[in-house]
Amino acid sequence: KAGVTQTPRYLIKTRGQQVTLSCSPISGHRSVSWYQQTPGQGLQFLFEYFSETQRNKGNFPGRFSGRQFSNSRSEMNVSTLELGDSALYLCASSLEGAYNEQFFGPGTRLTVL
Amino acid sequence: AQTVTQSQPEMSVQEAETVTLSCTYDTSENNYYLFWYKQPPSRQMILVIRQEAYKQQNATENRFSVNFQKAAKSFSLKISDSQLGDTAMYFCAFMTGNQFYFGTGTSLTVIP
Repeated sequence: KAGVTQTPRYLIKTRGQQVTLSCSPISGHRSVSWYQQTPGQGLQFLFEYFSETQRNKGNFPGRFSGRQFSNSRSEMNVSTLELGDSALYLCASSLEGAYNEQFFGPGTRLTVL
Repeated sequence: AQTVTQSQPEMSVQEAETVTLSCTYDTSENNYYLFWYKQPPSRQMILVIRQEAYKQQNATENRFSVNFQKAAKSFSLKISDSQLGDTAMYFCAFMTGNQFYFGTGTSLTVIP
């Protein structure tokens, strides 16, 4: 069974631009969660999607948004990029929710210049 | 507010020895889950062990076990017979209401 895949693996953007990150969960998993990992803040929960609906949201500004498609693939969008958005963005999938075992992808490394 | 605290930023242990990583959390919720995740260098994060708060019995997975003290809001991870492959960043995490909270991590180095 293929693992969680994230594309692209690396991104370089400039302030003010927007970016879209993609996550393909493990086949059969309906829950996809997104996390931001930075050296200063550690891992922070962004949001979780389940069956195309955002089920939960962390404490991030509205510039961070996401969606999930009928095949459970998920995208995360960040608009009006700021320097502080530079981070490793991790996606994790699970069968029903994050209380199940989550399987993490390799992450997308976003650098904002 | 929910918080997770890992007070040991870095630890080291000799191969084959036992090490305990500390984690405390703060919540007013009664139903929640606790996790330890491992992130090896340049590799993906994986689940080490999981504990439901309503279960009194401590979870065990092979060489990994937890000491869950609900009243004290403590959830430590014990690694027995440490192996070189255990070298990683370890994150304690707490989940309630489908919100996830991570600690800042403990970097564990196993010394040969």
